[in-house]
Amino acid sequence: GENVEQHPSTLSVQEGDSAVIKCTYSDSASNYFPWYKQELGKGPQLIIDIRSNVGEKKDQRIAVTLNKTAKHFSLHITETQPEDSAVYFCAASLYSGGGADGLTFGKGTHLIIQP
Amino acid sequence: DTEVTQTPKHLVMGMTNKKSLKCEQHMGHRAMYWYKQKAKKPPELMFVYSYEKLSINESVPSRFSPECPNSSLLNLHLHALQPEDSALYLCASSQGAYPGELFFGEGSRLTVL
Repeated sequence: GENVEQHPSTLSVQEGDSAVIKCTYSDSASNYFPWYKQELGKGPQLIIDIRSNVGEKKDQRIAVTLNKTAKHFSLHITETQPEDSAVYFCAASLYSGGGADGLTFGKGTHLIIQP
Repeated sequence: DTEVTQTPKHLVMGMTNKKSLKCEQHMGHRAMYWYKQKAKKPPELMFVYSYEKLSINESVPSRFSPECPNSSLLNLHLHALQPEDSALYLCASSQGAYPGELFFGEGSRLTVL
């Protein structure tokens, strides 16, 4: 099955600086790569996703890049704000054609924005 | 506010009890999921219902039993649980079988005594 590695486990940055979180995946057939943000006491919420036919996607302060050859993808957050503090999970998914397969998540990154 | 509603938010049960967790969505999604999340860990997939067809993670013990009465409702029946089953149980839904956004509920916090 798919295996997703995520680094770092904790990331502390000054408010206004950029944050980068990196993930690698094992199954070259995986074709969908979302990023989820989980705040304390809440379920994960999608913040951005990318499919394997695209190399980069941007939404305001958030961007994701995908390198299919190297099997890694990264989340970039610019101009960080206190409300960006949360746990971020990367994930990978493979559509096998037999039905929804769910997501395989990385272990998560606790992002701390220092005022 | 999440569009996936889970009840109860908190549940405490003994190892001999039988209880159920419930999940509901009204977005017309045709796939629903149960995930288990331990503290400081990622969600782990337990079950998937896609177009009312069940897919099982074979590592999930039989003391967890899913039920999908219709495409909007998903239950997780719990019986003879162990203390190590204490966790946050997350329900999610997605539009269909093709990978896309999962909408998560806020979870049911389960404690097994």
